[in-house]
This record gives sequence, C-alpha cells and structure tokens, in this order.
Amino acid sequence: ILNVEQSPQSLHVQEGDSTNFTCSFPSSNFYALHWYRWETAKSPEALFVMTLNGDEKKKGRISATLNTKEGYSYLYIKGSQPEDSATYLCASYSGYALNFGKGTSLLVTP
Amino acid sequence: EPEVTQTPSHQVTQMGQEVILRCVPISNHLYFYWYRQILGQKVEFLVSFYNNEISEKSEIFDDQFSVERPDGSNFTLKIRSTKLEDSAMYFCASSEAGTGRYEQYFGPGTRLTVT
Repeated sequence: ILNVEQSPQSLHVQEGDSTNFTCSFPSSNFYALHWYRWETAKSPEALFVMTLNGDEKKKGRISATLNTKEGYSYLYIKGSQPEDSATYLCASYSGYALNFGKGTSLLVTP
Repeated sequence: EPEVTQTPSHQVTQMGQEVILRCVPISNHLYFYWYRQILGQKVEFLVSFYNNEISEKSEIFDDQFSVERPDGSNFTLKIRSTKLEDSAMYFCASSEAGTGRYEQYFGPGTRLTVT
C-alpha cells in the first residue's frame, strides 16, 4: 500500500447504531497514525495519535486500534449520536509529513 | 482552550495576483505547517516550519510559495502569482514537537478562489 486509504467513503447510520471505519496505510517507514474528526466549517479536531502496534485508544464512545505490521487502523463509534456526524480523517506520519486519506463521511440520523 | 486561527476565511483573487494567507498558531507550539485540500481531493502537506526556517516541503511547494513568521505570533503563506489550480482550502496547523507523535492542531482554513 503506497497511499493512505479509508473505507467506506461514506456511511449513513441510525442513532444508537455502532459503526466502524478502516484506515489502511504503508507499514514501512511508519512513525504514527493520526485520526481527526472534521465537521463542516470547523477545524479538523485531533482524536488520537497512535504509535505502537496493538495500541488501543479511547475517548468517550470513540475508540481506535492499530496494527502496524499489516498497516491498518480501525475507528469505532459506539451508540452513534447525530452530533457524531462528521468526516473522519486518518493520516499516517512517515517521518516528515502527515499523509492523509480521503476520509469517511458519517451521517447519523435520529 | 487555545486554538489556531486563520484569516481571511475566504479570499477571492485574480490569476497572477499575489495572496498572503495568515495564521496565528497556538502560542507555545514550536512547529508550524501548511496543508491544502483541493475540492474533492485529499488534504495535502505543503510545508513545515521550525526555528524560523523550512524543515520539510512537498513537491507542491514550488518557488511560487513562501512562508514566513514575521513576528512572534503570525505565520504566513504567500503565493506570488496565483494560478487557477491554486484554488483550494488552505489549512494552517501547529504542534508542540515535530516527531509526528504529537497532535497537530488545525485552524478552520482559508478558502482561496482564483478566478
């Protein structure tokens, strides 16, 4: 994998559903994996920075895991709420810059 | 909570004109960055800046681009002669350190429209 890829591109869930997205990144020259939450017209907000294989991080109902050997990270949202609607970006830090995926656009409807 | 600010929020300019995009990073941060996102594409790294000089830059950051920290608070991106393809959302970011293991805090962006 040469680029950072995210799937799905978009997701529409009902309030209360749990959901997860995938980020694939180059496993060579890996330094860190960043997750951001980006609401329209606002600044991208840092969620997690993960560095170690097997890392699991949690912030409220949102959690993330990291597998650096196979080059993927999962972001989980438990019990989605309408305020979780946003684009979720992942970015791999390769030693000099963040390399972003295209994001997963999440819409949570009541 | 400290935040990164950017001005203006939207800039419209004619092709060939110079533009300066301004950013005020978080005050105790040492590393500063510019990114851009062309509509429908990924966020792309342009340049990183530390200790009053460029530390890394991408292929996008050619001679038409320059960055400056003219005083203790502002961080600017200048595009000398804008092209249509420079139309994008430009984001400034800052971080405490530059190893990539620290969060980068982003501003809300400046939407640049070149006509």
